[in-house]
Amino acid sequence: DGGITQSPKYLFRKEGQNVTLSCEQNLNHDAMYWYRQDPGQGLRLIYYSQIVNDFQKGDIAEGYSVSREKKESFPLTVTSAQKNPTAFYLCASETGGYTDTQYFGPGTRLTVL
Amino acid sequence: DAKTTQPTSMDCAEGRAANLPCNHSTISGNEYVYWYRQIHSQGPQYIIHGLKNNETNEMASLIITEDRKSSTLILPHATLRDTAVYYCIVRRPTGNQFYFGTGTSLTVIP
Repeated sequence: DGGITQSPKYLFRKEGQNVTLSCEQNLNHDAMYWYRQDPGQGLRLIYYSQIVNDFQKGDIAEGYSVSREKKESFPLTVTSAQKNPTAFYLCASETGGYTDTQYFGPGTRLTVL
Repeated sequence: DAKTTQPTSMDCAEGRAANLPCNHSTISGNEYVYWYRQIHSQGPQYIIHGLKNNETNEMASLIITEDRKSSTLILPHATLRDTAVYYCIVRRPTGNQFYFGTGTSLTVIP
């Protein structure tokens, strides 16, 4: 069953703690993306990676970090430097071409207490 | 950064066609129009995309005007499960980013 998985669906953390969100895909896609969505808002790009061992900052990268050691995996770490981390986080992947389609995971809702 | 304009909300009767408009008056010749939808608390779902010709798939039809300054997504027979936020996106040729605005909240009414 091909697709993108994100885990966990709900995550609670105390303020000041780093937390890592998982994103895995078995679609053999080269490119992967992380977006953040706040209530009633559209998606904003945090980081993206077009190939293994390479990634680029998006519009709101401050306070976040990523790694891309494997093609299938693109974990996102929300660090204590992120001033307002409570949000819905979405991972996406695509083959990487300009006309290609991005496919999204189910999302992780992070709440920092 | 948003390059598209959509109505904030729309209603549609169940079984009727839902026509969702989008204006993209500054679209460039090589930019594609994409449509996604997002059901509450889920990831966005791809619907359809096109460059200048009308497109149809099992989910919807996309009608793009000849000058490409606007488009309409048509759900031919709306069901309650089509209630969602629909995003019209013009994809920039540089980088691979999708810029999602706030979309149109479609409510299908029984």
